[in-house]
Amino acid sequence: ETGVTQTPRHLVMGMTNKKSLKCEQHLGHNAMYWYKQSAKKPLELMFVYSLEERVENNSVPSRFSPECPNSSHLFLHLHTLQPEDSALYLCASSQVVLQNVGEKLFFGSGTQLSVL
Amino acid sequence: DAKTTQPPSMDCAEGRAANLPCNHSTISGNEYVYWYRQIHSQGPQYIIHGLKNNETNEMASLIITEDRKSSTLILPHATLRDTAVYYCIVRGGKATSYGKLTFGQGTILTVHP
Repeated sequence: ETGVTQTPRHLVMGMTNKKSLKCEQHLGHNAMYWYKQSAKKPLELMFVYSLEERVENNSVPSRFSPECPNSSHLFLHLHTLQPEDSALYLCASSQVVLQNVGEKLFFGSGTQLSVL
Repeated sequence: DAKTTQPPSMDCAEGRAANLPCNHSTISGNEYVYWYRQIHSQGPQYIIHGLKNNETNEMASLIITEDRKSSTLILPHATLRDTAVYYCIVRGGKATSYGKLTFGQGTILTVHP
């Protein structure tokens, strides 16, 4: 148990569906992240939220829409996805302290997404 | 952030020490070396990190060479549950870079009975 919980664990959706991934952290951290892990590819950073403000968007297509309503919750809203978006989507959190780069990321177990 | 090079795979016998090397010859002075691992179907797990001194915690030891161009992660008594992909990551010291870890392909460590 890492203190970061992701739901659902598995998701199958059609290309016309709208779904949301949920992440909750119980660690009191002030930053949250979405990463994507496609088959046989390295993890890719998608979005970063710090103190509920989006501070990073790594050229992610608009069919992925993140939302961070508070410091403990992070959502990834999905709509009109493509089959190539099938991947493991991982949420992570950390405590960011300026001038201290020894931060640790705590990851959830991920949502395995299949787009048909 | 500096690029890292790791062997694609390694084997280790259960109960023996697993020594995982990482080359980061372009590392700069304010960059840390991080190690994470990912067990199948789970998210990555933080193991250890260091700047220039050797570090040890309950999971592993990190040995960084004096010139900081390479490092070794040591699992002192490997168990079957240590079978995973191990990632060596070098990350810069910018205060606003948050958790921007750049994961490579890592080393697949297989621990055999």
